[in-house]
Amino acid sequence: EPEVTQTPSHQVTQMGQEVILRCVPISNHLYFYWYRQILGQKVEFLVSFYNNEISEKSEIFDDQFSVERPDGSNFTLKIRSTKLEDSAMYFCASSDGGRVHEQYFGPGTRLTVT
Amino acid sequence: AQTVTQSQPEMSVQEAETVTLSCTYDTSESDYYLFWYKQPPSRQMILVIRQEAYKQQNATENRFSVNFQKAAKSFSLKISDSQLGDAAMYFCAYRRSINTDKLIFGTGTRLQVFP
Repeated sequence: EPEVTQTPSHQVTQMGQEVILRCVPISNHLYFYWYRQILGQKVEFLVSFYNNEISEKSEIFDDQFSVERPDGSNFTLKIRSTKLEDSAMYFCASSDGGRVHEQYFGPGTRLTVT
Repeated sequence: AQTVTQSQPEMSVQEAETVTLSCTYDTSESDYYLFWYKQPPSRQMILVIRQEAYKQQNATENRFSVNFQKAAKSFSLKISDSQLGDAAMYFCAYRRSINTDKLIFGTGTRLQVFP
């Protein structure tokens, strides 16, 4: 069964560094999402992406964040200058659209900012 | 703003027994979708079951069923004949039916299954 994959599974970075989190959505899906979960807190929506542009973003998704679909298979989240509070689990999801837009999640990347 | 509340941080059940996980939500919308996701330890979230608000009939998927009470804004998940593999975090999620794909999650309920 097709799955969303994410790399790396765990990333440690120093404050102020740039990180890129990578996702490979399910191949026939057209809608892509990033969510994050700070330890002990709710899963929060960051951004949705369709047709090579952001369709919706949350207030968390400020100028230090960006998303890109650099080729036909990858979907990336870049954090330009990481802060301690960016430490979280980041989940990628994809959907084929349809009436319900069911979202299929990847296993997540744990980002630790030191 | 829409919110989702899961009031049970942890639940436990014996194998083969039935357990119900609670979820309430707040919205002024009349049409929306509700979901239960399962997250096993160190694994990705898997969609367990979904409910479309305009449908009165409660959704069922094998051993998983929901009790959807629209007026009470309640969406509980019942797991029948619990199995050891059901042990996981369970998240309730809400999505408006139009103009957004954003899922709004509850805080989750950790389910333990004892043999």
